[in-house]
Amino acid sequence: GIQVEQSPPDLILQEGANSTLRCNFSDSVNNLQWFHQNPWGQLINLFYIPSGTKQNGRLSATTVATERYSLLYISSSQTTDSGVYFCAVDRRGNNRLAFGKGNQVVVIP
Amino acid sequence: NAGVTQTPKFRVLKTGQSMTLLCAQDMNHEYMYWYRQDPGLGLRLIHYSVGEGTTAKGEVPDGYNVSRLKKQNFLLGLESAAPSQTSVYFCASSSHQVTGELFFGEGSRLTVL
Repeated sequence: GIQVEQSPPDLILQEGANSTLRCNFSDSVNNLQWFHQNPWGQLINLFYIPSGTKQNGRLSATTVATERYSLLYISSSQTTDSGVYFCAVDRRGNNRLAFGKGNQVVVIP
Repeated sequence: NAGVTQTPKFRVLKTGQSMTLLCAQDMNHEYMYWYRQDPGLGLRLIHYSVGEGTTAKGEVPDGYNVSRLKKQNFLLGLESAAPSQTSVYFCASSSHQVTGELFFGEGSRLTVL
C-alpha cells in the first residue's frame, strides 16, 4: 500500500517560534488531509488540501502532488499548538485514508 | 451541532466479554468509519460504511463486526474481547467517501483485561 512518512517525528518549540512539518507519500493521491490531535486525544481536521496552498489563521499548508509531498507551517506557535499532527492520503481507486505516524509537537512557554 | 458522538467514552472488559460501541453523527454524512489508534502503529481502519445498510472491511477487521441500520449510526461490536483489542477507538464520518473532509468523534478508550 501507499507509504506516508512524516518528519520530524518530534519537535520542541519555544512559544512564538515558527516551524514546518513535512509529509512525503509514495504514490499518486486523490487527496491529502492534515489533522491535529490535542493532548486530550481529540482529532481535528485542519486542512483538506489535494494541491495548492491554504491558510487558516497561523497555520498554512501546501501540497505539491506532482512531487508527492505536503508541508504544514505553524507560525508564531502557541502552547495550544502542542499535540500530534497527522497527514493522511487516499490513493486513486482506493477506499481508505492512509495515515502517517505523526509529528509530535511540544510548544513550551 | 454535536458532530460525531461516541459512547461510551471509557470501558473496561474482561477477556471473552462482548460489547458495542455506538457512533452517532448529525451531519447527514453518507460515509462512516471506525479506526483504532495504538502507540507506534498510528490510526488503522477497522471497518467502514458507504451508506445505510452497507459495511466493508478495512485494514484490521478481524475480531470486530459492524452494522449501519440507520444513516446516522454506526455500531462497532466485539463479540469476544481479547487483550489485543485494548486501544482507543475513533469513529469518523465524511460527506464523500475518502475524498471528503473527515470529522472524528472524541474517542472511546477500551481496556481488555
